[in-house]
Amino acid sequence: AQSVTQLGSHVSVSEGALVLLRCNYSSSVPPYLFWYVQYPNQGLQLLLKYTTGATLVKGINGFEAEFKKSETSFHLTKPSAHMSDAAEYFCAVRTNAGKSTFGDGTTLTVKP
Amino acid sequence: NAGVTQTPKFRILKIGQSMTLQCTQDMNHNYMYWYRQDPGMGLKLIYYSVGAGITDKGEVPNGYNVSRSTTEDFPLRLELAAPSQTSVYFCASSPRPGLAEDEQFFGPGTRLTVL
Repeated sequence: AQSVTQLGSHVSVSEGALVLLRCNYSSSVPPYLFWYVQYPNQGLQLLLKYTTGATLVKGINGFEAEFKKSETSFHLTKPSAHMSDAAEYFCAVRTNAGKSTFGDGTTLTVKP
Repeated sequence: NAGVTQTPKFRILKIGQSMTLQCTQDMNHNYMYWYRQDPGMGLKLIYYSVGAGITDKGEVPNGYNVSRSTTEDFPLRLELAAPSQTSVYFCASSPRPGLAEDEQFFGPGTRLTVL
């Protein structure tokens, strides 16, 4: 069985500040890990993914995430928040069986 | 290349009515999925399909049915709608897992209200 825990359902930062969204997972097999972003009234869009290889993964819009196997974590960061980053962010874990498990999401608010 | 399309965008049903949510993808993906998203929650998998003619249950299949007669289409059927099925429904597709481009592509969603 696999599961995903996103710590903090709401995160608020000031424009220009560091963004840190936390994700911990459990999986009985090597996981594929994903971060998706959802803007209001839209579907999910892929931000970045980890499958194999380099553990620091860079995505779109300046986001990156680091896979830490020892900590079973895949936290999402961005050095400087922009107003357009305000959205809901979902971490997901997927195995070779093709099924994904999503976290409950973290709503990011960016204050001017 | 339209990606994943869903119809309708919005629908209001009365309790006990039935409807079919349509989903089509034009990327020749083998895998297709139906999720529901309740307010403040993540996505819960309803059903998925690994190819035409093959479907399987996800976490929350009760009250729903699916079919996959073609690679492109994966309709979701609600029989005897209940207020608990009020939600936003997302269809997604992906190529065979393990490929370099492995990710899920999502449709824009169908917002369903059952009154």
